[in-house]
Amino acid sequence: EAGVAQSPRYKIIEKRQSVAFWCNPISGHATLYWYQQILGQGPKLLIQFQNNGVVDDSQLPKDRFSAERLKGVDSTLKIQPAKLEDSAVYLCASSLDPDPGNTGELFFGEGSRLTVL
Amino acid sequence: GESVGLHLPTLSVQEGDNSIINCAYSNSASDYFIWYKQESGKGPQFIIDIRSNMDKRQGQRVTVLLNKTVKHLSLQIAATQPGDSAVYFCAESDYNQGGKLIFGQGTELSVKP
Repeated sequence: EAGVAQSPRYKIIEKRQSVAFWCNPISGHATLYWYQQILGQGPKLLIQFQNNGVVDDSQLPKDRFSAERLKGVDSTLKIQPAKLEDSAVYLCASSLDPDPGNTGELFFGEGSRLTVL
Repeated sequence: GESVGLHLPTLSVQEGDNSIINCAYSNSASDYFIWYKQESGKGPQFIIDIRSNMDKRQGQRVTVLLNKTVKHLSLQIAATQPGDSAVYFCAESDYNQGGKLIFGQGTELSVKP
């Protein structure tokens, strides 16, 4: 079974530039998550999708971050404009359970490492 | 306030010994807990989970213990191997808060051959 795919693996940009990350979850997984992991810390949830609807985006900095999952499959996360503190690994995860409250096993991708100079 | 740091707690063990990794969680209403393993350059990988109606669950070489009274979770790894070297995160979620998974800081396990 193919895992969660993410690209690019690495991205270096200058502050105030924009960047986009792409995620393809495991086939059939209804729920998709974007997490931000700063060096030395645990992942922090940015946004959770149930099919193509947003379940939780309370911790997404909406002035600069946006995410979409138009057809309920792939998702993109965009940062515009980037700040130095956005340097982190952006992890995409998916889960099979269609009930967003019933957290089951999350399957993570390998992440996209962003460096903002 | 929330503590921020670049230095993870570290546990160093000898190959073959048992490891115990501890975690304090914050929400007394959390009803589901997971341990994840994260190797360098990879995403977190599920190890074992436990629901709040249990206090112990065993897997292959791993055991999770839950003490709701003191909001404490531990992961025990039997006969630790070099391949167990990684950062281990506990995570908690509360169904009534939408099931959002909240991760702890993590502990780095180093296994000496």
